[in-house]
Amino acid sequence: QKEVEQNSGPLSVPEGAIASLNCTYSDRGSQSFFWYRQYSGKSPELIMSIYSNGDKEDGRFTAQLNKASQYVSLLIRDSQPSDSATYLCAVIKAAGNKLTFGGGTRVLVKP
Amino acid sequence: GAVVSQHPSRVICKSGTSVKIECRSLDFQATTMFWYRQFPKQSLMLMATSNEGSKATYEQGVEKDKFLINHASLTLSTLTVTSAHPEDSSFYICSAGTGADEKLFFGSGTQLSVL
Repeated sequence: QKEVEQNSGPLSVPEGAIASLNCTYSDRGSQSFFWYRQYSGKSPELIMSIYSNGDKEDGRFTAQLNKASQYVSLLIRDSQPSDSATYLCAVIKAAGNKLTFGGGTRVLVKP
Repeated sequence: GAVVSQHPSRVICKSGTSVKIECRSLDFQATTMFWYRQFPKQSLMLMATSNEGSKATYEQGVEKDKFLINHASLTLSTLTVTSAHPEDSSFYICSAGTGADEKLFFGSGTQLSVL
């Protein structure tokens, strides 16, 4: 079992719709969770961080964390073509900033 | 967010040569920097953790004699790929955190192509 798992996609959504991305992790002791966006040929950029159960909203993005079920999700509202990218879920298991990445979900937003 | 500068952005070299990649934290001091490698259509794989003033910690399966890491100051870490071969062709990315929280910021990456 991979430490951080994501559906590779592609997840195809029409412009203006909600894109829903899921991520599961294996280490129940994980404390910190992140979503990164990566465009082709570029390095990842941080979108959201979440540390406690529940929802966290930032603009069009909402991260949801459920530690009991060991999953974290990302919702993108009002999806735009510029949101087309690969979204990486990343987890820190303990203090030390050592990130473990999932395989990424490719999102395609069609005009 | 904090700025991490990485260069060169692209390197093409002959097999057997060595390539040095630099990673700088521009507006903060980073006691720890991380080096990742990403093959096409795959996720980022941590290669090593670079600690200022001490030896780097390498992940399992990463050859420490091939991938030399130097973290001589709080703002600079370098990765040297020694005797590069075509299978070392990849996208190399560094990252660093400010230490204020656990967020990491990434350099722009270096695309290495070994002929």
